[in-house]
Amino acid sequence: EDKVVQSPLSLVVHEGDTVTLNCSYEVTNFRSLLWYKQEKKAPTFLFMLTSSGIEKKSGRLSSILDKKELFSILNITATQTGDSAVYLCAATTGTASKLTFGTGTRLQVTL
Amino acid sequence: ETGVTQTPRHLVMGMTNKKSLKCEQHLGHNAMYWYKQSAKKPLELMFVYSLEERVENNSVPSRFSPECPNSSHLFLHLHTLQPEDSALYLCASSQWVQQPQHFGDGTRLSIL
Repeated sequence: EDKVVQSPLSLVVHEGDTVTLNCSYEVTNFRSLLWYKQEKKAPTFLFMLTSSGIEKKSGRLSSILDKKELFSILNITATQTGDSAVYLCAATTGTASKLTFGTGTRLQVTL
Repeated sequence: ETGVTQTPRHLVMGMTNKKSLKCEQHLGHNAMYWYKQSAKKPLELMFVYSLEERVENNSVPSRFSPECPNSSHLFLHLHTLQPEDSALYLCASSQWVQQPQHFGDGTRLSIL
Protein backbone atom coordinates (compact mmCIF):
# COMPACT_ATOMS: atom_id res chain seq x y z
CA GLU A 1 0.00 0.00 0.00
CA ASP A 2 1.35 3.43 -0.93
CA LYS A 3 2.27 5.56 2.07
CA VAL A 4 3.44 9.13 2.69
CA VAL A 5 4.57 10.11 6.19
CA GLN A 6 5.21 13.66 7.33
CA SER A 7 7.03 14.85 10.41
CA PRO A 8 6.73 16.50 12.76
CA LEU A 9 2.94 16.42 13.07
CA SER A 10 2.98 19.91 14.50
CA LEU A 11 5.51 22.58 15.25
CA VAL A 12 5.49 25.94 17.04
CA VAL A 13 8.27 28.41 16.29
CA HIS A 14 9.00 32.08 16.82
CA GLU A 15 8.92 34.57 14.01
CA GLY A 16 12.31 34.69 12.33
CA ASP A 17 13.18 31.04 12.99
CA THR A 18 14.07 28.60 10.23
CA VAL A 19 12.07 25.38 10.01
CA THR A 20 12.50 22.11 8.16
CA LEU A 21 9.53 19.91 7.41
CA ASN A 22 10.03 16.29 6.44
CA CYS A 23 8.21 13.99 4.06
CA SER A 24 9.07 10.34 3.43
CA TYR A 25 7.32 8.10 0.96
CA GLU A 26 6.93 4.45 0.09
CA VAL A 27 5.05 4.22 -3.16
CA THR A 28 5.00 2.01 -6.22
CA ASN A 29 6.27 3.59 -9.44
CA PHE A 30 7.02 6.99 -7.96
CA ARG A 31 6.59 9.88 -10.40
CA SER A 32 6.81 13.16 -8.48
CA LEU A 33 6.45 14.77 -5.08
CA LEU A 34 4.34 17.83 -4.40
CA TRP A 35 4.11 20.27 -1.52
CA TYR A 36 0.97 22.25 -0.69
CA LYS A 37 0.13 24.87 1.95
CA GLN A 38 -3.35 24.71 3.51
CA GLU A 39 -4.29 27.75 5.58
CA LYS A 40 -8.05 27.65 5.96
CA LYS A 41 -9.70 25.66 3.23
CA ALA A 42 -8.10 25.28 -0.19
CA PRO A 43 -4.58 23.82 -0.33
CA THR A 44 -2.34 25.97 -2.51
CA PHE A 45 0.44 24.51 -4.61
CA LEU A 46 4.04 25.23 -3.59
CA PHE A 47 6.44 22.88 -5.39
CA MET A 48 6.59 19.84 -7.64
CA LEU A 49 9.80 17.81 -7.50
CA THR A 50 10.73 15.10 -9.94
CA SER A 51 14.53 14.99 -9.91
CA SER A 52 16.81 14.14 -7.02
CA GLY A 53 19.12 16.77 -5.58
CA ILE A 54 17.76 19.78 -7.45
CA GLU A 55 16.55 22.46 -5.07
CA LYS A 56 13.44 24.39 -5.94
CA LYS A 57 13.13 27.82 -4.39
CA SER A 58 10.40 30.41 -4.04
CA GLY A 59 11.20 33.35 -1.82
CA ARG A 60 11.86 32.07 1.69
CA LEU A 61 10.66 28.57 0.83
CA SER A 62 12.78 25.86 -0.71
CA SER A 63 12.46 22.14 -1.22
CA ILE A 64 14.59 19.23 -2.32
CA LEU A 65 13.98 15.58 -3.16
CA ASP A 66 16.14 12.54 -2.43
CA LYS A 67 14.90 9.64 -4.56
CA LYS A 68 17.49 7.26 -3.16
CA GLU A 69 16.45 7.75 0.46
CA LEU A 70 12.80 8.38 -0.52
CA PHE A 71 12.24 11.68 1.22
CA SER A 72 11.82 15.37 0.67
CA ILE A 73 12.25 18.41 2.90
CA LEU A 74 10.61 21.78 2.85
CA ASN A 75 12.60 24.63 4.36
CA ILE A 76 11.19 27.96 5.43
CA THR A 77 13.66 30.64 6.46
CA ALA A 78 12.91 33.81 8.45
CA THR A 79 9.42 32.55 9.25
CA GLN A 80 6.52 34.97 9.50
CA THR A 81 3.12 34.63 11.14
CA GLY A 82 1.64 34.31 7.66
CA ASP A 83 3.51 31.03 7.25
CA SER A 84 1.23 29.46 9.87
CA ALA A 85 -0.62 26.69 8.06
CA VAL A 86 -0.76 22.96 7.48
CA TYR A 87 1.87 21.86 4.97
CA LEU A 88 0.88 18.84 2.91
CA CYS A 89 3.16 16.53 0.99
CA ALA A 90 1.89 14.19 -1.73
CA ALA A 91 3.42 11.61 -4.05
CA THR A 92 2.19 10.85 -7.54
CA THR A 93 2.62 7.29 -8.62
CA GLY A 94 2.17 4.73 -11.31
CA THR A 95 -0.82 5.63 -13.38
CA ALA A 96 -0.89 9.33 -14.01
CA SER A 97 -3.85 10.08 -11.81
CA LYS A 98 -2.89 8.50 -8.49
CA LEU A 99 -1.90 10.90 -5.71
CA THR A 100 -1.20 9.91 -2.11
CA PHE A 101 -1.11 12.57 0.61
CA GLY A 102 0.51 12.63 4.02
CA THR A 103 -1.39 13.83 7.09
CA GLY A 104 0.41 17.16 7.02
CA THR A 105 2.55 19.20 9.40
CA ARG A 106 0.77 21.95 11.29
CA LEU A 107 3.11 24.93 11.64
CA GLN A 108 2.36 27.79 14.00
CA VAL A 109 4.57 30.87 13.93
CA THR A 110 4.27 33.08 16.98
CA LEU A 111 5.42 36.66 17.56
CA GLU B 1 -9.71 33.24 -5.50
CA THR B 2 -8.31 29.95 -6.76
CA GLY B 3 -10.35 29.66 -9.95
CA VAL B 4 -12.14 26.62 -8.54
CA THR B 5 -15.55 27.31 -7.00
CA GLN B 6 -17.44 24.84 -4.84
CA THR B 7 -21.04 25.06 -3.70
CA PRO B 8 -22.52 24.85 -1.20
CA ARG B 9 -19.88 25.84 1.36
CA HIS B 10 -21.70 23.98 4.11
CA LEU B 11 -24.26 21.19 3.95
CA VAL B 12 -26.13 19.41 6.70
CA MET B 13 -28.19 16.42 5.67
CA GLY B 14 -29.90 13.40 7.12
CA MET B 15 -28.88 9.90 6.24
CA THR B 16 -31.86 9.39 3.95
CA ASN B 17 -31.49 12.63 1.99
CA LYS B 18 -30.17 13.04 -1.54
CA LYS B 19 -28.01 16.05 -2.29
CA SER B 20 -25.31 17.10 -4.74
CA LEU B 21 -22.05 18.98 -4.41
CA LYS B 22 -21.01 21.19 -7.29
CA CYS B 23 -17.59 22.23 -8.50
CA GLU B 24 -16.78 24.64 -11.30
CA GLN B 25 -13.34 25.60 -12.59
CA HIS B 26 -12.56 28.68 -14.65
CA LEU B 27 -8.97 27.76 -15.49
CA GLY B 28 -9.40 25.88 -18.74
CA HIS B 29 -8.14 22.68 -17.11
CA ASN B 30 -8.78 19.21 -18.46
CA ALA B 31 -8.63 17.14 -15.28
CA MET B 32 -10.85 17.39 -12.19
CA TYR B 33 -10.75 15.60 -8.86
CA TRP B 34 -12.82 14.93 -5.74
CA TYR B 35 -11.08 14.52 -2.38
CA LYS B 36 -12.34 13.79 1.13
CA GLN B 37 -10.56 15.43 4.08
CA SER B 38 -11.41 14.06 7.53
CA ALA B 39 -9.93 15.28 10.79
CA LYS B 40 -6.45 13.90 11.46
CA LYS B 41 -6.45 11.78 8.30
CA PRO B 42 -4.65 12.36 5.01
CA LEU B 43 -6.50 13.83 2.08
CA GLU B 44 -8.17 10.91 0.32
CA LEU B 45 -8.47 10.95 -3.44
CA MET B 46 -11.95 9.78 -4.42
CA PHE B 47 -12.39 10.29 -8.16
CA VAL B 48 -10.41 11.65 -11.09
CA TYR B 49 -11.81 12.80 -14.41
CA SER B 50 -9.68 13.54 -17.44
CA LEU B 51 -11.39 15.04 -20.49
CA GLU B 52 -14.73 14.20 -18.88
CA GLU B 53 -13.89 10.50 -18.54
CA ARG B 54 -13.44 8.90 -15.14
CA VAL B 55 -9.89 7.59 -14.88
CA GLU B 56 -9.67 6.79 -11.18
CA ASN B 57 -12.13 5.50 -8.61
CA ASN B 58 -10.42 4.81 -5.31
CA SER B 59 -12.78 2.15 -3.95
CA VAL B 60 -15.35 4.76 -3.04
CA PRO B 61 -18.73 3.46 -1.78
CA SER B 62 -21.54 3.63 -4.30
CA ARG B 63 -23.44 6.11 -2.13
CA PHE B 64 -21.07 8.66 -3.71
CA SER B 65 -21.73 9.12 -7.41
CA PRO B 66 -19.65 11.56 -9.48
CA GLU B 67 -20.72 13.24 -12.68
CA CYS B 68 -18.64 15.31 -15.10
CA PRO B 69 -20.89 16.78 -17.81
CA ASN B 70 -18.08 18.91 -19.28
CA SER B 71 -14.50 19.82 -18.51
CA SER B 72 -15.51 22.83 -16.38
CA HIS B 73 -18.06 21.17 -14.08
CA LEU B 74 -17.92 18.30 -11.65
CA PHE B 75 -20.66 17.04 -9.37
CA LEU B 76 -20.73 14.62 -6.46
CA HIS B 77 -24.17 13.13 -5.92
CA LEU B 78 -24.82 11.91 -2.39
CA HIS B 79 -27.47 9.48 -1.15
CA THR B 80 -28.03 7.47 2.02
CA LEU B 81 -24.81 8.69 3.58
CA GLN B 82 -23.44 7.54 6.93
CA PRO B 83 -22.23 9.67 9.86
CA GLU B 84 -18.62 8.74 9.05
CA ASP B 85 -19.04 10.51 5.71
CA SER B 86 -19.02 13.86 7.53
CA ALA B 87 -15.91 15.65 6.27
CA LEU B 88 -14.61 18.45 4.09
CA TYR B 89 -15.02 17.55 0.42
CA LEU B 90 -12.50 19.27 -1.80
CA CYS B 91 -12.59 19.63 -5.55
CA ALA B 92 -9.45 20.28 -7.57
CA SER B 93 -8.45 20.73 -11.18
CA SER B 94 -5.23 20.60 -13.17
CA GLN B 95 -4.20 21.25 -16.74
CA TRP B 96 -3.67 17.51 -17.19
CA VAL B 97 -3.39 14.66 -14.72
CA GLN B 98 0.05 14.64 -13.02
CA GLN B 99 0.15 18.43 -13.12
CA PRO B 100 -0.12 20.49 -9.92
CA GLN B 101 -3.71 20.83 -8.79
CA HIS B 102 -5.70 23.92 -7.90
CA PHE B 103 -8.16 23.35 -5.08
CA GLY B 104 -11.50 24.87 -4.23
CA ASP B 105 -12.40 25.89 -0.68
CA GLY B 106 -14.43 22.75 -0.16
CA THR B 107 -17.87 21.83 1.08
CA ARG B 108 -18.14 21.06 4.79
CA LEU B 109 -20.59 18.15 4.96
CA SER B 110 -22.29 17.05 8.17
CA ILE B 111 -24.45 13.93 8.29
CA LEU B 112 -26.98 13.81 11.09
